[in-house]
Order: sequence, then C-alpha cells, then structure tokens
Amino acid sequence: DAGVIQSPRHEVTEMGQEVTLRCKPISGHDYLFWYRQTMMRGLELLIYFNNNVPIDDSGMPEDRFSAKMPNASFSTLKIQPSEPRDSAVYFCASTLGGNSPLHFGNGTRLTVT
Amino acid sequence: RKEVEQDPGPFNVPEGATVAFNCTYSNSASQSFFWYRQDCRKEPKLLMSVYSSGNEDGRFTAQLNRASQYISLLIRDSKLSDSATYLCVVKWAVMNSGYSTLTFGKGTMLLVSP
Repeated sequence: DAGVIQSPRHEVTEMGQEVTLRCKPISGHDYLFWYRQTMMRGLELLIYFNNNVPIDDSGMPEDRFSAKMPNASFSTLKIQPSEPRDSAVYFCASTLGGNSPLHFGNGTRLTVT
Repeated sequence: RKEVEQDPGPFNVPEGATVAFNCTYSNSASQSFFWYRQDCRKEPKLLMSVYSSGNEDGRFTAQLNRASQYISLLIRDSKLSDSATYLCVVKWAVMNSGYSTLTFGKGTMLLVSP
C-alpha cells in the first residue's frame, strides 16, 4: 500500500498567487480530510469528505480556500489568492471510517512570501 | 468547536524514566480516542488507540476515564527514540448529521536525553 500521497512536498510562492495542493488517498478509504498545521494553532481541520462529498467545511478559513474531490482517488485544496498567513504545513489524511485511524500523507510545506 | 487540551511541555526526561501525558476533552459524546506520534517535520502517525478498559502495547499504556473526560499515555523505560510530539485525538459524533469528526490536541513534546 502506497499510503496517502500528497504533492508537492514543498511550495514557495508569492503573495497573490494561486496555490493548488493535491492528495491521493489510500484506495478504499471512504473519508478524506484536509488539515493545516502551524506552531501557534496546531492541527486544524479544514474540510473533510465522505464518498467524495464535502461533509464539513466549517474549518475553511475564508472564501480564498476551496477544496474538491472529483473522484475517490483524488482531491485538491486551492488557495486563491494566497497570503503570507497561509504559510503552514497542509496534511491530507484518509480513513475507512468507523473506529479506523487516520492515515496521513507526508504533507505540503507552503511558504507564501 | 469541541476542545482537546494537552500540556504542551516540553517534558525533558532521562533515558529509562517513566513519563505520563494527560489529555482532557470537552465533549461527553466523544466516541473514540487515539494517541498519535509526530516527529519533527514529519506527519502524525498512529501510536495506539485507547480502549475503555485501558490497553498496553509494550512500553506504552493508554487509559481512558470517561467520567472525568481525560485520557492518558504512560511511557515506561523511555528511549531516545521516543523523543517526539504526542498528539491526543478525540473522535465525536456531529449532532443530527450521522457523521463523526476528529479533533486533535496541540500535542505534548517529549525530549528524552542520554
């Protein structure tokens, strides 16, 4: 099993640019989560999907953030326009649901200058 | 949002020491509990689930106290390789939705020294 795959691993961009983060969950997992992690705020849930449908997006900071899951094997998190305060590590995670644990990808380290 | 609170540490202990972390949660309807470990600049990884009766995995013991709404993690005979941040995770049902969600604590940092 390849695990959860995220790309890119690192992204450095200038303020105002569009950023797209990508995630491939573990095959067969029904749930996909996007988290953001900073030193100050820890791991924050942004949005999660069940069977490709967004269930809870209340953690999405503002309209500049959007997430899609067009099929069971792919999801994107887009920031447009990006701002320096968006700098963080963004993790994607998937799970079977029930009491199964989350499996995280390696994360994307985003730096907005 | 439901809260999960942890002492941020760091906990500095010598090799061989026993160390305990506590985590409190605010949602009495919480369903499942986990401890994750996160190494510096890495992703969180599951350390162990926490069962109602308590459970042990080698040097690690997890306990759940539903009445007081806290969980604990005990590490015996600490190793240098145990140095990491330990995240408490609570799963709880979202009312009237049929779904559950997970809340992470901010983590407790452990530093084991020679």
